[in-house]
Amino acid sequence: ETGVTQSPTHLIKTRGQQVTLRCSSQSGHNTVSWYQQALGQGPQFIFQYYREEENGRGNFPPRFSGLQFPNYSSELNVNALELDDSALYLCASSKPTSGALQETQYFGPGTRLLVL
Amino acid sequence: EDQVTQSPEALRLQEGESSSLNCSYTVSGLRGLFWYRQDPGKGPEFLFTLYSAGEEKEKERLKATLTKKESFLHITAPKPEDSATYLCAVRRGGSEKLVFGKGTKLTVNP
Repeated sequence: ETGVTQSPTHLIKTRGQQVTLRCSSQSGHNTVSWYQQALGQGPQFIFQYYREEENGRGNFPPRFSGLQFPNYSSELNVNALELDDSALYLCASSKPTSGALQETQYFGPGTRLLVL
Repeated sequence: EDQVTQSPEALRLQEGESSSLNCSYTVSGLRGLFWYRQDPGKGPEFLFTLYSAGEEKEKERLKATLTKKESFLHITAPKPEDSATYLCAVRRGGSEKLVFGKGTKLTVNP
């Protein structure tokens, strides 16, 4: 069974630039969630995609956007990068929710973004 | 607003010295409390999911318990390889997101 993979592993950008991060979900999972983790903090929810549609969003501005493709892989796009966007970006995949139980989210290794 | 507070922020143990990490939470309609382990620069690794007060789960030297207000991660006779940051997260019913605490950084000295 293939786990969650992300690319690239590291990225350096300058303020004002745009960036695209990629995620391949775990085999059998059709839901992808993106999180931002600043140094010394817990992950913060950005948004979730299910069946190629956004299925919930956290407190992030519209310059954070995403896509999910028919093969359930996903992209996170960030426009007009700011210094505070420097963080570890995590992708997590899960099976669709069944009844009252919440399916576990399995995380990828992350992409470390540095904005200068 | 859902909140998760983990304590202590950092914990240093000697190999074999058992202890517990705490996760206090405030959430309306809990539909899962999750424990993850995170090594430096890596993604969180899933450990346990707890759904209702009184539930317990074990894995090797780790045991997670849940009450209506908090969860504990008990570490029995830890080894240096247990050194990591342990994250707690909650999810409310009808919500897609996990709300995380800041984590407890555990260091186990040989």
